[in-house]
Amino acid sequence: GESVGLHLPTLSVQEGDNSIINCAYSNSASDYFIWYKQESGKGPQFIIDIRSNMDKRQGQRVTVLLNKTVKHLSLQIAATQPGDSAVYFCADRFGAALIFGKGTTLSVSS
Amino acid sequence: SQTIHQWPATLVQPVGSPLSLECTVEGTSNPNLYWYRQAAGRGLQLLFYSVGIGQISSEVPQNLSASRPQDRQFILSSKKLLLSDSGFYLCAWSSAGGEKLFFGSGTQLSVL
Repeated sequence: GESVGLHLPTLSVQEGDNSIINCAYSNSASDYFIWYKQESGKGPQFIIDIRSNMDKRQGQRVTVLLNKTVKHLSLQIAATQPGDSAVYFCADRFGAALIFGKGTTLSVSS
Repeated sequence: SQTIHQWPATLVQPVGSPLSLECTVEGTSNPNLYWYRQAAGRGLQLLFYSVGIGQISSEVPQNLSASRPQDRQFILSSKKLLLSDSGFYLCAWSSAGGEKLFFGSGTQLSVL
């Protein structure tokens, strides 16, 4: 099956800083990518997605960048807030399902 | 609006006992339905998905099974639980042909 992974298991930032969470994928045929945020004891929540015909997409305080040449995906969070502390997962589509990476824990200190 | 219900929130079961976790979706028709498992501090592992009633695809050979008796109902079962079945179980849905998954609140299963 597909393998999706993140570069770093943890990331610690100060409130107000910009955060960048990275992800690498292995299937060059993947055409859809998505980021989720998971708070402790809860189900993952959708943040932002991107199709393979795009290299950048912006949402509210978040930007996803896709580099298909090196099969790399990143999530940028602007002006990180304590409420952004959570585990972040990237995923790509494999058939009818999403295959998730292991996650990066983002810790935001005041 | 669409909602997904998953219960129970927590469950403690002895080794060798049966399991039945239920998930229902409201506000949509013919959804794709999914079961994922998350071990402590780990990523989400796809267990089963279904694109229609009675249609189940299994991603990982294991001690679990899934059934979809109704359009918006997805059940995860086991006849005899193992210690290794402990984890956080998540149900999710997407629209048919859709891409985004919407997750339930999860069931924390502890097998002792």
